[in-house]
Amino acid sequence: NAGVTQTPKFRILKIGQSMTLQCAQDMNHNYMYWYRQDPGMGLKLIYYSVGAGITDKGEVPNGYNVSRSTTEDFPLRLELAAPSQTSVYFCASSPQGGNTIYFGEGSWLTVV
Amino acid sequence: DQQVKQNSPSLSVQEGRISILNCDYTNSMFDYFLWYKKYPAEGPTFLISISSIKDKNEDGRFTVFLNKSAKHLSLHIVPSQPGDSAVYFCAASPTSGYALNFGKGTSLLVTP
Repeated sequence: NAGVTQTPKFRILKIGQSMTLQCAQDMNHNYMYWYRQDPGMGLKLIYYSVGAGITDKGEVPNGYNVSRSTTEDFPLRLELAAPSQTSVYFCASSPQGGNTIYFGEGSWLTVV
Repeated sequence: DQQVKQNSPSLSVQEGRISILNCDYTNSMFDYFLWYKKYPAEGPTFLISISSIKDKNEDGRFTVFLNKSAKHLSLHIVPSQPGDSAVYFCAASPTSGYALNFGKGTSLLVTP
């Protein structure tokens, strides 16, 4: 019972580098999300998707891009990494919006 | 602007006693409320939810109370156990919404 799987778990990036955080879910959920959590803060929505081919911005989308070519996968792309993007990133999915969402285990990213 | 507020960053309770975690919200469109539990280095896991048509929902040792007029909800854990030590996030959404809004979390420590 994999649920939501994120890779990598840990990554250190240099300023200006780019990378992609991978996310896959096997629950056939339509909705997928990327949240970030900064120390002492709640989870802030970066991007979300309501189905394959459809994505939209959340609260903090700047510096990120997403795509949703299949129901299962929702990668998050960081372009030109900045220290402000040092955070823990959580991918999540739900069968529909405004409903219980299920999280992956997180990806810890440090930009130096 | 934080639409879901958890004003207590931390709470310490003795084993066997009741833990009460509080949450306030400002958006009157919210009608679905959830609590998530998070251990270090793991993703948040769903704990319990309540819809606005109810004022109480119980699941074993966990009970969530909703006071719509005060825009306030609380999570009661009885009896508290050391394994309950974690960060608890309150979340809310309109059922017609697309994503959950999270509070900053309350760190619960249950001492033996």
